[in-house]
Amino acid sequence: GNSVTQMEGPVTLSEEAFLTINCTYTATGYPSLFWYVQYPGEGLQLLLKATKADDKGSNKGFEATYRKETTSFHLEKGSVQVSDSAVYFCALSDVNFNKFYFGSGTKLNVKP
Amino acid sequence: NAGVTQTPKFRILKIGQSMTLQCAQDMNHNYMYWYRQDPGMGLKLIYYSVGAGITDKGEVPNGYNVSRSTTEDFPLRLELAAPSQTSVYFCASSSQGASGNTIYFGEGSWLTVV
Repeated sequence: GNSVTQMEGPVTLSEEAFLTINCTYTATGYPSLFWYVQYPGEGLQLLLKATKADDKGSNKGFEATYRKETTSFHLEKGSVQVSDSAVYFCALSDVNFNKFYFGSGTKLNVKP
Repeated sequence: NAGVTQTPKFRILKIGQSMTLQCAQDMNHNYMYWYRQDPGMGLKLIYYSVGAGITDKGEVPNGYNVSRSTTEDFPLRLELAAPSQTSVYFCASSSQGASGNTIYFGEGSWLTVV
């Protein structure tokens, strides 16, 4: 079946620190992979995506590379800001069944 | 840009009451979804629809019903509300299903059953 596993939070960093949030997946076929961000009291917003192996998605200084050999899609940012504090969800899409599968979310707290 | 619109944003229900969460999208998307998010948890799929007149169960459909009479609207019905249905509900839509396309979310509906 399809599933997404991401590292548990919360992750607490100081401003300008390097961020990595790990995400691994299990899927049949060739899924697309996504990172979504949820700010307090809001819905999920697309952060970045990658549709095939070795693709790199990037947005707002965040990036993630679709690694088929390790079934991973880790989120990274070189220098986090307080405004990056949010919950981050890794997700995959199942092209056969038109569904999206989400990880459990990782809360990021960035301190000034 | 309206996108996905959910109403109401907040609601308190008494045990045994029923209600409908409304969802509308103006992007002409074929695919629509209802998720629930319990505190500190991820998203669980309740129901989804691949087009008008077609709906299917997700992971946690019990206690809910949906209909899809038009492309734009995908209401979620809660029958006989129970405390276990206290959650945040998100409606979402996407075009051409999951194949490389983005899923867009509404702002959420906070439901408390007391």
